[in-house]
Order: sequence, then C-alpha cells, then structure tokens
Amino acid sequence: GNSVTQMEGPVTLSEEAFLTINCTYTATGYPSLFWYVQYPGEGLQLLLKATKADDKGSNKGFEATYRKETTSFHLEKGSVQVSDSAVYFCALRRGAQKLVFGQGTRLTINP
Amino acid sequence: KAGVTQTPRYLIKTRGQQVTLSCSPISGHRSVSWYQQTPGQGLQFLFEYFSETQRNKGNFPGRFSGRQFSNSRSEMNVSTLELGDSALYLCASSLGRDRDSYEQYFGPGTRLTVT
Repeated sequence: GNSVTQMEGPVTLSEEAFLTINCTYTATGYPSLFWYVQYPGEGLQLLLKATKADDKGSNKGFEATYRKETTSFHLEKGSVQVSDSAVYFCALRRGAQKLVFGQGTRLTINP
Repeated sequence: KAGVTQTPRYLIKTRGQQVTLSCSPISGHRSVSWYQQTPGQGLQFLFEYFSETQRNKGNFPGRFSGRQFSNSRSEMNVSTLELGDSALYLCASSLGRDRDSYEQYFGPGTRLTVT
C-alpha cells in the first residue's frame, strides 16, 4: 500500500539556520504530495503541495520538490524563525484514495 | 471564505457513553474526511464522505460511524466510548472531484476526553 516515511524528530535549530526535513514515499502511479503544518493547539494547515514529478511547491519561504526518481519530497527553508516551531507532516494522496500521512516531525527553533 | 468548522471544540464523556461530533466544510466542498490524532498513533484516517456516500474507510471498529448530509455537513458518531478513544478528532474538506482538487483543508479539531 501507499506509505510515507519522515525523518525522526524532534529537530531543534537556532534561528536563521537552514532547515531540511526528509520525506520519502512508497506509492504506485503518480500521487500528489503535500506538506502540512500543525501549530500547538490547532488543526493542520496545508503548507505546500506538488502534483507531478519535478514540480516545486513553495509557501512562506518553505520549498519542496517532487522527485520521482528518489521518491522524495524533502521540505527546506533557508532561514528559520522562532514562529516556524510546529509539527510538520508529509502526506500523499493518489487519486480519490485516502490521504496518507507520515508520522510527523516536531521542529523547535530557539532564538 | 469561511474555513472548516468543528463543534464542539472540547468534550468530556464517560466510558460507555456515545458522542456525536459535527463538521461544516468550506462552502462548495463536497468531500469531508475524518481523522483521529493521538500522541501514540499519530494521524489515523477514519473515513471520507463525498456527496453523501462513504468513499473511503479506515481500519476502525464499527463503533465509529459517520454520515454526510445534502449540504455536505458531516457528523461522526462514536458509540460505547472507551478510554482509548480520547483524542483530537480532525475533520478536513476538499472539492474532491478530480486530481487537482483533492487537497484537504482541516478544521481546528474536537478534543474528546473519555473518563
């Protein structure tokens, strides 16, 4: 079946550091890929998406590129801020099938 | 455009009771999905409804059920509550009709505590 694997957390960085959160997936065909973010006490917010190979999703300084050859969708940001502290979820969806999430990566940014 | 709303936001129930949670999707969205989030199990998919029909179903016991109304609003019911049902229940909506409209938008969740 379809599955998503994220790097183990928690991840702790200093403000203005470079961020990478790894995400790899297993799926047949060509799924759509997503990154969601969850701030404390809130629901999930869609951060960015990519629907086909080599697409780059971007939002709020975050980027991720759909790499079919490595089945990856790593999240990156060049300079993180304290306000980026949250839990990040990588997810995939193939057609009308259910959305499949990774286990989440907790990110803490220290000033 | 208003986002996904869920009611109630917080709920405390006793073992053996039943509970109904409500979700109103974004206007125009016809798909509603439900998820259970716990610290131990992460995000687990419960079910998805599209145009009043269940389209996908997760691996939860029959105590968990749902339905969708003609206005796309959805309810989720859990009968004979167990302590392990304590969780954040998230609802998400999407247009849900083709590949470019499957992205889901989440509500704030209902925090259910079973004592």
